[in-house]
Amino acid sequence: EVQLVESGGGLVKPGGSLRLSCAASGFTFNNYIMNWVRQAPGKGLEWVASISASKYYIYYSDSVKGRFTISRDNAKNSLSLQMNSLTVEDTAVYYCIREGRFCRGGVCSNWFDSWGQGTLVTVSS
Amino acid sequence: QSVLTQPPSASGTPGQRVTISCSGGASNIGGRTVNWYQHLPGRAPKLLIYTDNQRPSGVPDRFSGSKSGTSASLAISGLQSEDEGDYYCSAWDDSLHGWVFGGGTKLTVL
Repeated sequence: EVQLVESGGGLVKPGGSLRLSCAASGFTFNNYIMNWVRQAPGKGLEWVASISASKYYIYYSDSVKGRFTISRDNAKNSLSLQMNSLTVEDTAVYYCIREGRFCRGGVCSNWFDSWGQGTLVTVSS
Repeated sequence: QSVLTQPPSASGTPGQRVTISCSGGASNIGGRTVNWYQHLPGRAPKLLIYTDNQRPSGVPDRFSGSKSGTSASLAISGLQSEDEGDYYCSAWDDSLHGWVFGGGTKLTVL
């Protein structure tokens, strides 16, 4: 069974830093692209960052680029999100997500096939 | 303002069929496949439809997806009270180099 367990959330002051972790189990971690998606209170889902299985491809949303760093440790089946220069707009539940993929004839389609339960990050003075 | 546009709300009575639309552009829905996610109260979001119209195992065939051009739709037939929650469409955007979501549609079962 695929399991994704986030940790590291909590209360932090504006301008502060926080590091989220995601422990993955039940699948071959180094075969999958991994993502972070967040949901602010009363708002919709927002994609945050993505990292390929080999770590070669890394993408960020414009809202976190330059402040957040996604990383992974394939030996430890672990995904991380280092969040710096936090603002109140970063307050959200952060989900760790496995990305499924199917390719045929050189054309690939991708989707978020497994989600963790989420960890709450609150940025407040 | 979300890149993908969904109606903020939808509703129906038990047994009815409801559809939720998702409108995008050439850089996302027009050139990529669409996925739909269900977010029920108190639970983590869950994959509902992938690659425009495919259902993961375990998802009832009451749920179906379709796509035409730069728009997609989610249909739910035989509406049940447990379907009440939020529904999101999503696609990769080639211009933004990232995933985009619709703003979400809150489904109410009357």
